[in-house]
Amino acid sequence: DADVTQTPRNRITKTGKRIMLECSQTKGHDRMYWYRQDPGLGLRLIYYSFDVKDINKGEISDGYSVSRQAQAKFSLSLESAIPNQTALYFCATSPIAMTENTGELFFGEGSRLTVL
Amino acid sequence: KQEVTQIPAALSVPEGENLVLNCSFTDSAIYNLQWFRQDPGKGLTSLLLIQSSQREQTSGRLNASLDKSSGRSTLYIAASQPGDSATYLCAVNGAGGTSYGKLTFGQGTILTVHP
Repeated sequence: DADVTQTPRNRITKTGKRIMLECSQTKGHDRMYWYRQDPGLGLRLIYYSFDVKDINKGEISDGYSVSRQAQAKFSLSLESAIPNQTALYFCATSPIAMTENTGELFFGEGSRLTVL
Repeated sequence: KQEVTQIPAALSVPEGENLVLNCSFTDSAIYNLQWFRQDPGKGLTSLLLIQSSQREQTSGRLNASLDKSSGRSTLYIAASQPGDSATYLCAVNGAGGTSYGKLTFGQGTILTVHP
């Protein structure tokens, strides 16, 4: 089983619909992130959370919201989806333990969202 | 604002060649730099992580170097194989304060290794 699991893997929806993408992890990491990937634009940070009570906006948070339900779960919501939110969305985690791998990010398989 | 650039955008080589992928970044105040591999329609797989205090990291046929002062990193792939075909992404992790933990990605290099 994957350490970082995203659901759904693929979703097609219509403009104006509410969509939730979920992420769960078994790595025991405190830090979780949501990125989106667009052709030609690379990956951009939407929101991040350093622990259960911490939520921070990233580079492109407008039109999105998140919820950190537990250390292992971090959900991304689109309250009213629009076509330019069509993208590949990635959840990632990272540890905070002071080891040589501090700051390394581990990604899920991605959720492909299409908004018609 | 940190900007990350990868050159070349695409590379096609015959099997067996040694090759170098380049990554440059504008702000040298980084915590670490990470190289990823992405296969079509798949997630990102971490290849190598170089902390800001390190000069290079090696894993099998891969070697990544970091010159923080000049804002450059290279990924060296020895004896390339068709299975190495993928998109390679470089990402910089900002240092301290509100930057820590937030990766800035390059656009990626699309590598094709043909038999």
